[in-house]
Amino acid sequence: AQSVTQLGSHVSVSEGALVLLRCNYSSSVPPYLFWYVQYPNQGLQLLLKYTSAATLVKGINGFEAEFKKSETSFHLTKPSAHMSDAAEYFCAVSPEETGANSKLTFGKGITLSVRP
Amino acid sequence: DTGVSQNPRHKITKRGQNVTFRCDPISEHNRLYWYRQTLGQGPEFLTYFQNEAQLEKSRLLSDRFSAERPKGSFSTLEIQRTEQGDSAMYLCASRLGGALGYTFGSGTRLTVV
Repeated sequence: AQSVTQLGSHVSVSEGALVLLRCNYSSSVPPYLFWYVQYPNQGLQLLLKYTSAATLVKGINGFEAEFKKSETSFHLTKPSAHMSDAAEYFCAVSPEETGANSKLTFGKGITLSVRP
Repeated sequence: DTGVSQNPRHKITKRGQNVTFRCDPISEHNRLYWYRQTLGQGPEFLTYFQNEAQLEKSRLLSDRFSAERPKGSFSTLEIQRTEQGDSAMYLCASRLGGALGYTFGSGTRLTVV
């Protein structure tokens, strides 16, 4: 079984400050890891994904995440927050990249607020 | 294609009524997923189709829930005898087998009163 833990439900940063959203996973097989963003009343948009090619993954909108197997973590960072980054962020894990068993298991999500 | 389309966007229904949601995936995507998202939680997997075949159903999908994907194109999710606990956002996602990443629709928000 796989699971994802996102500690804390809400993170607030000032515009221009570093964004750090934490994600820890549990998986009995090498995981595939994803970060999604959800704006109000919208579906989920893929920010980035880890598929074992490289441990540091760069995504859209200046976000990146680093896979650390020893810490079972896949934290999301952005050097400088922008007001438009305010949204809900979900970490997800899948046991397979593209196979039949590639459904996603999501964490509870973190709401990011950006203060002017 | 402009993405995954879900209808309706919002549905309010009385407890005990039946409701049906529709999902139109990106046309070339052969895999279609339904997820349910309750307030304050991440999406939870409900069921998955490859073409017209329903290959997996979650334990969350009680016998009041049924999903279909006739002809491997659009999909419908029906909830019979709705309960207040069914109130949630129902998300549909599609992907092309072998491709990376899902495309999610904007969801259908169900409120059972």
